[in-house]
Amino acid sequence: GESVGLHLPTLSVQEGDNSIINCAYSNSASDYFIWYKQESGKGPQFIIDIRSNMDKRQGQRVTVLLNKTVKHLSLQIAATQPGDSAVYFCADLSYGNNRLAFGKGNQVVVIP
Amino acid sequence: EPEVTQTPSHQVTQMGQEVILRCVPISNHLYFYWYRQILGQKVEFLVSFYNNEISEKSEIFDDQFSVERPDGSNFTLKIRSTKLEDSAMYFCASSVGTAKGYTFGSGTRLTVV
Repeated sequence: GESVGLHLPTLSVQEGDNSIINCAYSNSASDYFIWYKQESGKGPQFIIDIRSNMDKRQGQRVTVLLNKTVKHLSLQIAATQPGDSAVYFCADLSYGNNRLAFGKGNQVVVIP
Repeated sequence: EPEVTQTPSHQVTQMGQEVILRCVPISNHLYFYWYRQILGQKVEFLVSFYNNEISEKSEIFDDQFSVERPDGSNFTLKIRSTKLEDSAMYFCASSVGTAKGYTFGSGTRLTVV
């Protein structure tokens, strides 16, 4: 069954502000999490990942936070740019499994 | 940067017809996948393929679906007798290990009329 879900359908953010996208998961066995960005007409594009033995990981302008206690994942985008407008999905894997379970997606709209 | 390549980008087919969607995974990847995304919905797993055989499939992947790696570079998804509800974006993906380097193609939009 579905193990990952997103709280908010759409997030509108001013250019230059920070964005936070949240995701809840239910599978306690999930040990690897990925955030994907999907632009219109394109496939999911890898943004950042995190394993369950970490609670924070930073990339370029993006940070993923993992709270295993409450089974919550978030993606923070710093200084949001117009090119960040897209649908963002979280997805998870369990150890020994290679089937990604996707959440429903969260639309981010950047207002210039 | 290495890419997963899918062809065609858009396929229109009559209901009941067979379609073959084609993918060229990243060359050093060992695991291959098909996912689909019905318009406005989340991405759903169809099948994974490793060592020339299906390693896992979802309940969506019924007898109408099949996958094949006919040579060292292509990975195909065949739908034998398409239904209207097969209309979706179909994404191919590949990975080095079970999670490492999981990369998606740009998709094939299948429209069944």
